[in-house]
Amino acid sequence: GENVEQHPSTLSVQEGDSAVIKCTYSDSASNYFPWYKQELGKGPQLIIDIRSNVGEKKDQRIAVTLNKTAKHFSLHITETQPEDSAVYFCAASRDNAGNMLTFGGGTRLMVKP
Amino acid sequence: DGGITQSPKYLFRKEGQNVTLSCEQNLNHDAMYWYRQDPGQGLRLIYYSQIVNDFQKGDIAEGYSVSREKKESFPLTVTSAQKNPTAFYLCASSIHLNYGYTFGSGTRLTVV
Repeated sequence: GENVEQHPSTLSVQEGDSAVIKCTYSDSASNYFPWYKQELGKGPQLIIDIRSNVGEKKDQRIAVTLNKTAKHFSLHITETQPEDSAVYFCAASRDNAGNMLTFGGGTRLMVKP
Repeated sequence: DGGITQSPKYLFRKEGQNVTLSCEQNLNHDAMYWYRQDPGQGLRLIYYSQIVNDFQKGDIAEGYSVSREKKESFPLTVTSAQKNPTAFYLCASSIHLNYGYTFGSGTRLTVV
């Protein structure tokens, strides 16, 4: 089955700096990669996703890059703000696995004002 | 507004009791999922259902049971056989293949 590893587990940055979270996956057939943000005491919210037919996707301060050859994808947050502080999860799925997502272990991002 | 609703938000259970967590969605999603999250940890899959009247065990199904009698509803029962039930429980749904999940706001279960 699929295995998704996420690094780092915690990340502390100064407000205004950039943050990068990386995930690697094991199944070369995976073709859908969403990212979720979970604030304290709440359910995860989808913030951006990418499919394997593109290498990069951007939405304002958030971008995701995908390297299919190396089987890794990354979340980039620029100009970080205190409200970006949360736990971020990456995930992966493939066509012949139904709707199932395999999640990474999560990254706790702390943005210091 | 469409969404996925979990209730209650907080639940306290005495040891030896069964409790049922509610999950309802009005998104017309076929698939629904239950995850458990322990403090500082990731998401562990308990059960999932791809279609009405069908469900499958996830990675940590022991001590839990589910039903899927209606498309909109996927209740989770935490039985007395679950030895360490204190956790944050998340329900999710998805429309079909290769689309992201929509999560509920979670239920925090505490054994007292």
